[in-house]
Amino acid sequence: QQQVRQSPQSLTVWEGETAILNCSYEDSTFNYFPWYQQFPGEGPALLISIRSVSDKKEDGRFTIFFNKREKKLSLHITDSQPGDSATYFCAAGYGNEKITFGAGTKLTIKP
Amino acid sequence: EAAVTQSPRSKVAVTGGKVTLSCHQTNNHDYMYWYRQDTGHGLRLIHYSYVADSTEKGDIPDGYKASRPSQENFSLILELASLSQTAVYFCASSDWQGNTEVFFGKGTRLTVV
Repeated sequence: QQQVRQSPQSLTVWEGETAILNCSYEDSTFNYFPWYQQFPGEGPALLISIRSVSDKKEDGRFTIFFNKREKKLSLHITDSQPGDSATYFCAAGYGNEKITFGAGTKLTIKP
Repeated sequence: EAAVTQSPRSKVAVTGGKVTLSCHQTNNHDYMYWYRQDTGHGLRLIHYSYVADSTEKGDIPDGYKASRPSQENFSLILELASLSQTAVYFCASSDWQGNTEVFFGKGTRLTVV
């Protein structure tokens, strides 16, 4: 059973639009939610993260919205650029336990 | 800058053969991990280690062994490679386990024929 689910599996948006990537989780004890970005041929790298005490985290064009009650979060990428084309992994963790990754969303930005 | 280096970057192995994937980190991190990436499954943890000479099983350890001879080095061993082990393997490191950034290597593409 997947602890962390992501949707959609793939997403295509036009340059300049807002891309919305969704994530949900099962374990209510999770309190740390990082998003990792992976370009082809590279390893994932931390993009942005949020802790469960917050409902929003912003870093430039990237924003995480977090709904603790519904156990859902989303990553919004505003003014999408072709360079944002990558696979995005939502992950979840708590305390000193290893984090769990979702299956990823492959994002393509069309110029 | 944090660095995790994997070797080889790609490998073709024969079914039933032994494969060793190597990883070296210069981050001075205690924790090291081996993940497997398959389309549709994301990143799944195979083995991890938090101290030299000790390894722990992750979520999918069957068919894999790990070795941590020093803080800097962590190897993944496939004693009898199988077709189902064709995948991309990532090594990673972190300060500690949990709410902290994980640093990944560039991956090793393993093809078992």
